[in-house]
Amino acid sequence: QLVLTQSPSASASLGASVKLTCTLSSGHSSYAIAWHQQQPEKGPRYLMKLNSDGSHSKGDGIPDRFSGSRSGAERYLTISSLQSEDEADYYCQTWGTGAVVFGGGTKLTVL
Amino acid sequence: EVQLLESGGGLVQPGGSLRLSCAASGFTFSSYGMSWVRQAPGKGLEWVSAVSGSGGSTYYADSVKGRFTISRDNSKNTLYLQMNSLRAEDTAVYYCAKARVAAGTEDFDYWGQGTLVTVSS
Repeated sequence: QLVLTQSPSASASLGASVKLTCTLSSGHSSYAIAWHQQQPEKGPRYLMKLNSDGSHSKGDGIPDRFSGSRSGAERYLTISSLQSEDEADYYCQTWGTGAVVFGGGTKLTVL
Repeated sequence: EVQLLESGGGLVQPGGSLRLSCAASGFTFSSYGMSWVRQAPGKGLEWVSAVSGSGGSTYYADSVKGRFTISRDNSKNTLYLQMNSLRAEDTAVYYCAKARVAAGTEDFDYWGQGTLVTVSS
């Protein structure tokens, strides 16, 4: 079964960097994923697609502070030079034949 | 500029029906798959349904299969979600989302602002 696992919460200081993790279920380590950001009281916003080879393509207007990488079944979203507006929920998403799956989301607090 | 504007949400009794619409602009609507994704109060995102760009292929989450129907009118650049036999657990903000490709189930590169559906007596 295709499942994405995310830590419920993370925190980092203003101006620092943070790395969020999304783990693909066993047998699905070659899947691409996407990262989305949801700021409080707003709809989600597409950040990037992260391919299985580690390459990524970002959405319109997404700053260079956001980057993606991978290791095995783990997919990462790194946010550098954290700003207050980065405080948000971050969701990973993947897809298979006729289905889409979201991770449970990580709530990022900027200290 | 891509815009997705949902409408049709509201309060409905258990067992009732509702039809959501999503008006799209700023891109060639028929060339891209579209999905509905919902978010229950205080919860995460849950994919509900997808349709391919042509409308020929549709997909549903098990939780709504047999109760919800997704469709699109490419002449009107509009996506729909017909929701029947509604339950309390269907209460959520419903978002429409554009896929990056023609197939229904891929990554979503644009989202609407959502419409709230409340199922309660």
